[in-house]
Amino acid sequence: DQQVKQNSPSLSVQEGRISILNCDYTNSMFDYFLWYKKYPAEGPTFLISISSIKDKNEDGRFTVFLNKSAKHLSLHIVPSQPGDSAVYFCAAGPRAQKVTFGTGTKLQVIP
Amino acid sequence: GAGVSQSPSNKVTEKGKDVELRCDPISGHTALYWYRQRLGQGLEFLIYFQGNSAPDKSGLPSDRFSAERTGESVSTLTIQRTQQEDSAVYLCASSLAGTGVLYEQYFGPGTRLTVT
Repeated sequence: DQQVKQNSPSLSVQEGRISILNCDYTNSMFDYFLWYKKYPAEGPTFLISISSIKDKNEDGRFTVFLNKSAKHLSLHIVPSQPGDSAVYFCAAGPRAQKVTFGTGTKLQVIP
Repeated sequence: GAGVSQSPSNKVTEKGKDVELRCDPISGHTALYWYRQRLGQGLEFLIYFQGNSAPDKSGLPSDRFSAERTGESVSTLTIQRTQQEDSAVYLCASSLAGTGVLYEQYFGPGTRLTVT
């Protein structure tokens, strides 16, 4: 049972445009949501997070939006840069417990 | 400061052999996770250690898999009688832990296991 779903396995975006990566979850107990970025042959690195008391968190070019009623979160990257090309994983969990990761979306930013 | 380290970085083994993978977490991180990523797949949770609590082993795929952690330091993941389906990148991550908040995990570079 996949509790965290990333339904788009890949996404291509032109440099300078907005990249929108989506993630859906099913467990209403999840309070914390994180995005990780993974380059080939490296471990994932933390990108940005949001807790359920917020609906938006922004860090530079990266913004995460949370829609609790729809159990949906999204990561916006504006403007997209070629160096953003990577696999993006969303992760979710209840407070202070283990997270569940999605299957990832491979983003390609075309120069 | 040092990040999470894993060894070996690559391991090729014959089917039926046992392998041991090592993870050195960031000092002071009480939580430690093991994940597996098969080719073209997402991160699959295996096991979670948090302080002195009993580990959450709910993700271990079979009884051939086991893991130990010495206090809040090194962890080893052991796979007995390896099968070709065990071929994957095994990732270790560590994090701070506390009530009421979910800290981000810091991942090691992974161990690529190939079972021939």
